Amino acid sequence: GIQVEQSPPDLILQEGANSTLRCNFSDSVNNLQWFHQNPWGQLINLFYIPSGTKQNGRLSATTVATERYSLLYISSSQTTDSGVYFCAVEGWAGNTGKLIFGQGTTLQVKP
Amino acid sequence: NAGVMQNPRHLVRRRGQEARLRCSPMKGHSHVYWYRQLPEEGLKFMVYLQKENIIDESGMPKERFSAEFPKEGPSILRIQQVVRGDSAAYFCASSLSGQNSPLHFGNGTRLTVT
Repeated sequence: GIQVEQSPPDLILQEGANSTLRCNFSDSVNNLQWFHQNPWGQLINLFYIPSGTKQNGRLSATTVATERYSLLYISSSQTTDSGVYFCAVEGWAGNTGKLIFGQGTTLQVKP
Repeated sequence: NAGVMQNPRHLVRRRGQEARLRCSPMKGHSHVYWYRQLPEEGLKFMVYLQKENIIDESGMPKERFSAEFPKEGPSILRIQQVVRGDSAAYFCASSLSGQNSPLHFGNGTRLTVT
């Protein structure tokens, strides 16, 4: 099955810094989503982005489907950005919305 | 708030008991997914259901686990004769149209087996 690798596994930032999280996947996808799991365990959908670029406030994401990667940018980070960021994909052959998750990037933003 | 609702939030069961986890999808969503998250791990797909139908249960253990999404009422994930290894966070998610639409998660049920 499709493999999803996220990097870095862990990241520590000072408040106000910018960061880039990467998601590589091993096969063509028709569905890619980014999620944030906060320290209380809640999972929030950040982007549905199988291709192209989207922005939402301080967050933006770019997926280059032909090169099999996606990037999540966090600008001017805040302590509330702390948590685990997951990339999840569905392979091109799939059509059910069933997502395969990466292992996540754990982000800690220090005040 | 019309988000995905899961209950209970926390569930403690002794080995051998049954666990029932409930999930009401977002209003208007008819596609429901269950995922399991073990400590310090990512989320693993278990089962995908539409109303009254199991579409894909490839991630669900063959024994002791079952899921349903009846015509009326919430989706239920049922674990019979629980063992310590079943301790995990179980998340339900829903989407509007299955493929090509965002997945929205509930807050999860934390199952602890003693």
